[in-house]
Amino acid sequence: AQSVTQLDSHVSVSEGTPVLLRCNYSSSYSPSLFWYVQHPNKGLQLLLKYTSAATLVKGINGFEAEFKKSETSFHLTKPSAHMSDAAEYFCVVSDSNSGYALNFGKGTSLLVTP
Amino acid sequence: GAVVSQHPSWVICKSGTSVKIECRSLDFQATTMFWYRQFPKQSLMLMATSNEGSKATYEQGVEKDKFLINHASLTLSTLTVTSAHPEDSSFYICSAREGAGWGTEAFFGQGTRLTVV
Repeated sequence: AQSVTQLDSHVSVSEGTPVLLRCNYSSSYSPSLFWYVQHPNKGLQLLLKYTSAATLVKGINGFEAEFKKSETSFHLTKPSAHMSDAAEYFCVVSDSNSGYALNFGKGTSLLVTP
Repeated sequence: GAVVSQHPSWVICKSGTSVKIECRSLDFQATTMFWYRQFPKQSLMLMATSNEGSKATYEQGVEKDKFLINHASLTLSTLTVTSAHPEDSSFYICSAREGAGWGTEAFFGQGTRLTVV
């Protein structure tokens, strides 16, 4: 069975400082991993995805994530936080055994302070 | 990117009535669509996988007679909440993937907020 664990339910950073949102996964098959962002009262938007190509994945809005198989991690980072980054972030795993459904982590709420 | 349209965006209904939520892929064909439920401040829980032309596959604990799913065409899936009760109040989100394979991007509808009074 596949699963995702987001290690922090809330993260607070100051504007202009780095962002780190942590995610660990488990999968018996070669997984695909995604990060989605959900702004208040808005739909989900894909930030980036890993699908067995380059382990360092660059996404939109300056976000990137590194797939580390040995650590079963897929942490999301950004060098400098912006106020508009405040939102809920979901780490998601999918593999062939899941019938291509997405399995969501519990989410991390990112707060950016001035 | 591809667009998934979900309708209505919000609905209020009386206890005991049924509510239908539509999910459409506007510019691509989706043989498989997914229905999620999201409680306040919580993650998305997969309810069922909707397959075009066949029966939906429900996750454990989801009542298939209560949450009826129909996927009649490659661009439309519907979720009907039958005999709704206040505990069914939630945010329902549909998703469709463009193309086959678990690495393809999933696109999400804007969600439907259901309130049962």
